[in-house]
Formats: sequence, structure tokens, C-alpha cells
Amino acid sequence: AQSVTQPDIHITVSEGASLELRCNYSYGATPYLFWYVQSPGQGLQLLLKYFSGDTLVQGIKGFEAEFKRSQSSFNLRKPSVHWSDAAEYFCAVGLMNTGFQKLVFGTGTRLLVSP
Amino acid sequence: NAGVTQTPKFRVLKTGQSMTLLCAQDMNHEYMYWYRQDPGMGLRLIHYSVGEGTTAKGEVPDGYNVSRLKKQNFLLGLESAAPSQTSVYFCASSSLNTGIYQPQHFGDGTRLSIL
Repeated sequence: AQSVTQPDIHITVSEGASLELRCNYSYGATPYLFWYVQSPGQGLQLLLKYFSGDTLVQGIKGFEAEFKRSQSSFNLRKPSVHWSDAAEYFCAVGLMNTGFQKLVFGTGTRLLVSP
Repeated sequence: NAGVTQTPKFRVLKTGQSMTLLCAQDMNHEYMYWYRQDPGMGLRLIHYSVGEGTTAKGEVPDGYNVSRLKKQNFLLGLESAAPSQTSVYFCASSSLNTGIYQPQHFGDGTRLSIL
């Protein structure tokens, strides 16, 4: 069965420091991969997506992610974290089934930003 | 831009009561989804719809019913609420996948407590 693993439940990063959030997936084919961010009391906002092609994808708010097929990973990175980046981050795998798309989410990583 | 709108935003119910959560989207999307979000479990798909008048079960459908009488609306019903249904509910929508995977757009959620 398809699955997404985010091994870190919480991560604390100092403001201005770099960030990497880990995501590993289990899927038989090349998946569609997403990172979503959820600010407190808000819905999920799409940060970036990978479908094919260049394995390094750029997203909004200065985030990027790299797809590594050999490691079944899609880690999210940001070179310098801002206090406003404190939120919960979800990695997801998109599956296609006769045109219908299904998202399988990881359990999320909560990012805390210290002054 | 309204996007995906969920009503109500908060609700407290007593065990055994019924209620309906409303999701409305103004993007003319064909697909709509209902998820529940529980701590440490990410988002899980309850039901989904691939078009007006059609619905299907997702990962955790028990205790819920849905209807999509109009393309822009997707209703989630709890016939007899149980404490296990205390959760945050998210609605999402996406456009038809015409060879290109279309991302899902999320509402801000409905926080539901069952006492």
C-alpha cells in the first residue's frame, strides 16, 4: 500500500537558520509529490509539487524540494527560516486512478522557529 | 477570491445529534473531497465526488454520508454523532485531470467537538 513517512513530529529551528524537513514515500511507480503548509487555524496551502522532469523544484515562500528516486525521498528545504514559517508541514503522494486523484498524506511535521 | 468555503467553522454537538457540514467552491471544479484531520494521523479521506450527483467512499467513510446535488456544493452529514468523530474536517476541490495532475485546494476547516 502507498504510504508517506515524515519521521520528525516536531522540529525547532532558529530564525535565519536553514531548514530541512524529511519525507519518504512508498509507491510502486513515480509518484506525484506535494508539500503543503498549514498555519494555525487555516487550511492547507500548496507549497510546491513534483510531477516529472527536474528533480529540484521551487515553490512559494522561498521553499524548494528535491526528489531522490533512489532514496524514495522528497525533502523540503529553505535556506533561511523566518518566524512566519512556523506552521505544520505535510508531505503527500498523489495517486491517479482513471482520472481521479487521491492524496495520501504524511502525519506532518510541526516547525517551531526560535528567536 | 473565495476558493473553498466551509461552514460552520466551529460546532459542538452532543452524542447522537446530527448535523451537516457544507462545502462550497467557486472554481468550477469537478472533484471534491472531505477529509478529517486528527493529531498524529495527518489527513484521511472520508468521501469524495468526481462530479455532480456522484459520490464514493474514501479511507474512513463509516458514520458519514455525503451528497453532491450541485457541482459547487459538497455536503458531509453525521447522522448520529459519536465522540470518535471529534476532529477537524477539511473540504478540498480540484479540477479535472486532463493529462496534467491538478492540485487540490483546501478550505479553512471545521472544528467539530462531540461531547
